[in-house]
This record gives sequence, C-alpha cells and structure tokens, in this order.
Amino acid sequence: DGGITQSPKYLFRKEGQNVTLSCEQNLNHDAMYWYRQDPGQGLRLIYYSQIVNDFQKGDIAEGYSVSREKKESFPLTVTSAQKNPTAFYLCASNPGRKNTEAFFGQGTRLTVV
Amino acid sequence: AQSVTQPDIHITVSEGASLELRCNYSYGATPYLFWYVQSPGQGLQLLLKYFSGDTLVQGIKGFEAEFKRSQSSFNLRKPSVHWSDAAEYFCAVVPNNDMRFGAGTRLTVKP
Repeated sequence: DGGITQSPKYLFRKEGQNVTLSCEQNLNHDAMYWYRQDPGQGLRLIYYSQIVNDFQKGDIAEGYSVSREKKESFPLTVTSAQKNPTAFYLCASNPGRKNTEAFFGQGTRLTVV
Repeated sequence: AQSVTQPDIHITVSEGASLELRCNYSYGATPYLFWYVQSPGQGLQLLLKYFSGDTLVQGIKGFEAEFKRSQSSFNLRKPSVHWSDAAEYFCAVVPNNDMRFGAGTRLTVKP
C-alpha cells in the first residue's frame, strides 16, 4: 500500500543530544513537509522541500535541520540548539501542486528529558 | 501578517445538532483552502478542499464548507453531528508552495 511512514512513533532523548526523525513516502510525491504540533498552536511549519536536493525554511526552522537526498525520504534532525524540542512532529507529502491534498504520517512524539 | 485564523479553540455540541467551524485567512490572493481532521495522536485526514468554481464544496463524512471571498472565510459545516465526529479540525491554506495551518478547533460531542 502507498503511504507515508514516520518512525519511531515515540522517541525519548536526553537533553543536549541530537535526534533524527525518519519520514519515508512511496507515493512518488515531489513535495514533503515537516510540522511541529503543540497544544493550542496548531501545526507550525519547520521545513519543506519541493524537489530533491532543495528545501526551504518554514516559520520555526531554528534548531532543526533536514536533508532531501532521495525523493522518498525527508529526515528531520532536532539539534541541541532547539530550546524546547518536546513535541509531536508530523511529516506530510503531496505531489507538489497547490490544489492537491497532503498526506500525513502518523507522527512521532519526541520527549526530551 | 499573513495568517490562518480559527477563532474557536474548543466547541461542544450535542449529538444530532448542527455544527459550524470558522476559518479566516489573510493572504493577498485567494489561496487554495483545505479542511483536515485529526484524531488523538494521529496524522491528519483531508475532509474537503476548494481552489476554484462553486463556492460550496462537499466533503467526506457529510461535511461541507463555503468559501466567501468578501469575508476571507472558509467555514466548515455539518447539519447533524455524530459522536464519531469528536476530533480536532484544522483549516489549511496553500498560498505559495508551502502549506499553512490554523491553530485548530477541538470538537466535543455530548450524548
């Protein structure tokens, strides 16, 4: 079945450590997105990528990094520079046209202790 | 500033009652507009979308939304709410190549 997969579902890390969240899609979509979700704040855009080897910062990119070496994969690294990394992270993809829906992964809940 | 606003953080309705969730956007041109629904701890599922044509669009699960250009609004409606509609609802816009979401409205359904 085609879809978008985020792993792991739950992730725990110690403060000061970098951590990488995985996002893989087999939908042949050009565009991929990373969002952070906190209660009462909706989904805030971290990074997005329209094509391989290219990506743009969203509204809250500080403390995060991404790569897009393959069309199917868009991993997000939460660095130690991110002041408050504990959150629910959602990855999404779409074909890259504005009028098409986005498909979402099931999310990764990151807890930094 | 460009934004998507969902004024209602939490709404409670009785099962069988009608529902309207509000969404306003502030972008120069009419962006592409979407409504998504999220169950707890899950990803988002598309309910409906608008990008041109008829301003009243139908979606899944009996939802509809009306685009009003003069009010920069895209409100979601359902004539009769079911207990299974309890979830969080997000309005989204695609102004350029990015996709922006409102803060969400949490819907509680009373028996």
